[in-house]
Amino acid sequence: SAVISQKPSRDICQRGTSLTIQCQVDSQVTMMFWYRQQPGQSLTLIATANQGSEATYESGFVIDKFPISRPNLTFSTLTVSNMSPEDSSIYLCSVEDSGDTEAFFGQGTRLTVV
Amino acid sequence: AQRVTQPEKLLSVFKGAPVELKCNYSYSGSPELFWYVQYSRQRLQLLLRHISRESIKGFTADLNKGETSFHLKKPFAQEEDSAMYYCALRTGRRALTFGSGTRLQVQP
Repeated sequence: SAVISQKPSRDICQRGTSLTIQCQVDSQVTMMFWYRQQPGQSLTLIATANQGSEATYESGFVIDKFPISRPNLTFSTLTVSNMSPEDSSIYLCSVEDSGDTEAFFGQGTRLTVV
Repeated sequence: AQRVTQPEKLLSVFKGAPVELKCNYSYSGSPELFWYVQYSRQRLQLLLRHISRESIKGFTADLNKGETSFHLKKPFAQEEDSAMYYCALRTGRRALTFGSGTRLQVQP
């Protein structure tokens, strides 16, 4: 299994500012995923982050808005840039176990943009 | 592109009643299907996956490729089953595609 620590757990931010979310895993993992869950919606994949390479973004998400860092096999950050109220969501970090049989999730970051 | 559909936002049953949470998918390849659950104030966690064909907490789910369904069933619901349930599909890219979720409320 993998234990994920995600920080902050929640934040209220002013529009136009940026927030960086941290994801720390207790074991080395190859792939880390960032998801967004807008109010009343399901989880949507933002990007896949591999160590040592650029993140791969899904349609509708761009690096300028959601820059991702992956400096090593246990850590990643997602930045939500130039925020607007539409960015108010829960952001989740996820990894898969070494056997690729199960995904583990952080507790999420609840972001409110005012 | 793959898609997962959960038609019910809310399913409310009484304790001891049977439960079926519906999930349909569309994907051109061979799917890996999962049910994830989120209990109140807890993080999302795996409930079961189709390849293991196991029963977890009394829940089972059978992959029906003809109907492209992966419904979650339990013969007798318990109050502690109240939670948000997500059906998810995984492709070769390893990321999950989630359905919109069904909130199960089990009333005493």
